[in-house]
Amino acid sequence: DGGITQSPKYLFRKEGQNVTLSCEQNLNHDAMYWYRQDPGQGLRLIYYSQIVNDFQKGDIAEGYSVSREKKESFPLTVTSAQKNPTAFYLCASKDGPSGLIYGYTFGSGTRLTVV
Amino acid sequence: AQSVSQHNHHVILSEAASLELGCNYSYGGTVNLFWYVQYPGQHLQLLLKYFSGDPLVKGIKGFEAEFIKSKFSFNLRKPSVQWSDTAEYFCAVFGGGGNKLTFGTGTQLKVEL
Repeated sequence: DGGITQSPKYLFRKEGQNVTLSCEQNLNHDAMYWYRQDPGQGLRLIYYSQIVNDFQKGDIAEGYSVSREKKESFPLTVTSAQKNPTAFYLCASKDGPSGLIYGYTFGSGTRLTVV
Repeated sequence: AQSVSQHNHHVILSEAASLELGCNYSYGGTVNLFWYVQYPGQHLQLLLKYFSGDPLVKGIKGFEAEFIKSKFSFNLRKPSVQWSDTAEYFCAVFGGGGNKLTFGTGTQLKVEL
């Protein structure tokens, strides 16, 4: 089945460490997105990429970095500069400009806890 | 920048009650509107969407939403809720600058038996 795989489901890290969250899709979608979900704040866009080797900052990019070396992969690194990294992280994808009619496809998320 | 407001943060209803969740957006130009649902422990799923045409759109599981351009609103409705509708509901807007989907803060719906 086609979809988005986020791993791991739960991740614990010590404060000050960088951590990379994985997002892989086998939908052949062009665009990929990272959102952060916090209680009462909805989903906030961190970074997005519309094509390979290109990405743009979202609304809350500070303390995060991404890469898009392959179409199917869009890993997110939470750096030590992120002041409040504990959150639920969601990856999504969309099939090009015309794919919006189907909405975004979301992964099941990674819950990151920094202690 | 585009913004989306969901005024009801927590809603508690009894089964068979009617539901209306508010959603307002800020951009006055062409927008595409969505409602997503997140059931406990599950990933976000698309409930319904509006692109153009009939402003009353129907989605899955008996949900519908009405686009009122003059009010910048896209409220979600269901005539009779079920216990299984307990979930978090997100309104989202695509448009108004940037090729991205902007979400509201979500509404937690709890349906009691």
